[in-house]
Amino acid sequence: QVQLVESGGGLVKPGGSLRLSCAASGFTFSDYYMSWIRRAPGKGLEWLAYISSGSSYTNYADSVKGRFTISRDNANNLLYLHMNSLRAEDTAVYYCARDFSSLFHYWGQGTRVTVSS
Amino acid sequence: EIVMTQSPATLSVSPGERATLSCRASQSVSSTLAWYQQKPGQAPRLLIYSASTRATGIPARFSGSGSGTEFTLTISSLQSEDFAVYYCQQYNNLWSFGQGTRVEIK
Repeated sequence: QVQLVESGGGLVKPGGSLRLSCAASGFTFSDYYMSWIRRAPGKGLEWLAYISSGSSYTNYADSVKGRFTISRDNANNLLYLHMNSLRAEDTAVYYCARDFSSLFHYWGQGTRVTVSS
Repeated sequence: EIVMTQSPATLSVSPGERATLSCRASQSVSSTLAWYQQKPGQAPRLLIYSASTRATGIPARFSGSGSGTEFTLTISSLQSEDFAVYYCQQYNNLWSFGQGTRVEIK
């Protein structure tokens, strides 16, 4: 069955960096676009970034453009989110999600990121 | 950026009653509108897409309607497992979600 497992979250100081990973299994990872989505405390879901199946195309929400980078390793079924210049407002649970026809049918359980001094 | 606005923020409903959730887009998204359910500690689950099509395995008590800028999710007879947060999402131009409606037990 389809599984997405995020890792790499934790506590980081403002201005710091973190790399999140998402390990995919149960499907042909290289066939699918993937996205990162987050849910901040007390707020709704926020789409952050997507990457095409072959990494040719990426796009970002304005809130993270220039600070976050999405990438993938199709040989090892891994999706990444590199996060720089972290701010308190980046505190959230981060999810990876599989995109099919622009819909997110499968999500991971999330990894928590806390940005605090 | 298309802004999605959901109302109400919280809906208190008794089991067996009908729940109606609203979602408004800041500009037309045609029918490219989905609804997700999220329970505490769980990942979101896709319920409805194309404004009114139930995803695989979703019970018939969930129904969606609307097009353009105004959308509705209706749960015809609330079951205990339906108490959760519901999000609308447009996928006409990238993706954006509403802030969510919490459906709680009255």
